[in-house]
Formats: sequence, C-alpha cells, structure tokens
Amino acid sequence: SQTIHQWPATLVQPVGSPLSLECTVEGTSNPNLYWYRQAAGRGLQLLFYSVGIGQISSEVPQNLSASRPQDRQFILSSKKLLLSDSGFYLCAWSVPGGGNTIYFGEGSWLTVV
Amino acid sequence: ELKVEQNPLFLSMQEGKNYTIYCNYSTTSDRLYWYRQDPGKSLESLFVLLSNGAVKQEGRLMASLDTKARLSTLHITAAVHDLSATYFCAVDGMDSSYKLIFGSGTRLLVRP
Repeated sequence: SQTIHQWPATLVQPVGSPLSLECTVEGTSNPNLYWYRQAAGRGLQLLFYSVGIGQISSEVPQNLSASRPQDRQFILSSKKLLLSDSGFYLCAWSVPGGGNTIYFGEGSWLTVV
Repeated sequence: ELKVEQNPLFLSMQEGKNYTIYCNYSTTSDRLYWYRQDPGKSLESLFVLLSNGAVKQEGRLMASLDTKARLSTLHITAAVHDLSATYFCAVDGMDSSYKLIFGSGTRLLVRP
C-alpha cells in the first residue's frame, strides 16, 4: 500500500532563517505531488504542485520554493523565513491523472518567531 | 479563476439532528472531493464525486454532486458527537495539474 511521510512534524524558526520540509511517498511511481499551507483556522492554500521530476509549478508568489529531486520526494524550502510563513504545511500525493483521491501527509507545524 | 464557497462556515447542532453543508464552485468541473479535518490533524478523504448526479454514503454522511448547478452537498443524518470536525470540499479545476482548490471549511460542533 502507499504511504506518505512528512517531516519534521513541528518546528520553531527565527525570522530570516532557512527552511526545509521534506516529503516522501512510498508504494507508487510518478505520483502527482502537492504542497499546501493552512494558516490558523483557515482553509488550504495550494503552494506548489509537481507532475514529474524537476517539474514544479508555483501557485502563489512568495519567498518559498519547491524541488522534486527524485520521483517520490518533494521538498519545500525558504532561504529567509518571514513571520507570515507560519502555518500548517501539508504535503499530498495522488495517482497520475484526474479524478483520483489526493492523500495528505501528517503535516508540519511551522512557527516563525 | 476557480473559486469554491462553503456554507455555513460554522455549524453547531444537537445530537440526533439532520443538517446539510453546501459547496458551490465557480467553473465547470465534475470532480468534487470532501475531506474531514480533526483539530491539529491532517485531512482525511471522505468522498470523491466524479459525475453529475453522483451520490455516495458512508455511515451518517451522504454527499451528492450537481454539476449543472455547480453544487455539492454533504448531508448529516442523526448527528453524533464523533462527527465534530471541520469539513472541506475541494474542486478539481479540470486542467492538466489535477490540483484541488479548497473551500474555507465548515466547522461542525455536535452538542449532546
């Protein structure tokens, strides 16, 4: 069966520090991969999605970036965090093609102080 | 630009009662998803609706999709406390990215 792992689960970072969140999917090949962010008490905002290695699409201009160095690995990064980057970050995956369930990882809580 | 609106945003209901959550979206799509989120947790997939008139049921929850009206409903029957959570609908924009655009969520509180 397929599983998705996301880490770290929680982190507190000072303003201006770098960020790296990692996500890996097991048990499938060539998945669609997504990064979403949820601000406290709010809905989900799509940040990045990828339909293949090295193919990254950005939905919202910001100081975050994403990379997909391997087929089932998706990384969210920042060189310098802002206070507004605080939130709950969720990695997700789906089988290629439309009409398939998108499955979410456990999420990473980021607090920028 | 695809927009997804849910209402109500907050719902407090008594155990045993019935209620419906509504999800409207702005552009053509026949792929509609419902998720549940418990406080501090990730999202759990509830239903995937892939055609006009699709209806799916799981326990006390039933979801339906009317693509012509661009409307999906999540109906709760005889609510129990365990259903307390935030419910999100999400719509696939029907482009090659297969990404989902989420509504703001409906926070459901079921009172004894």
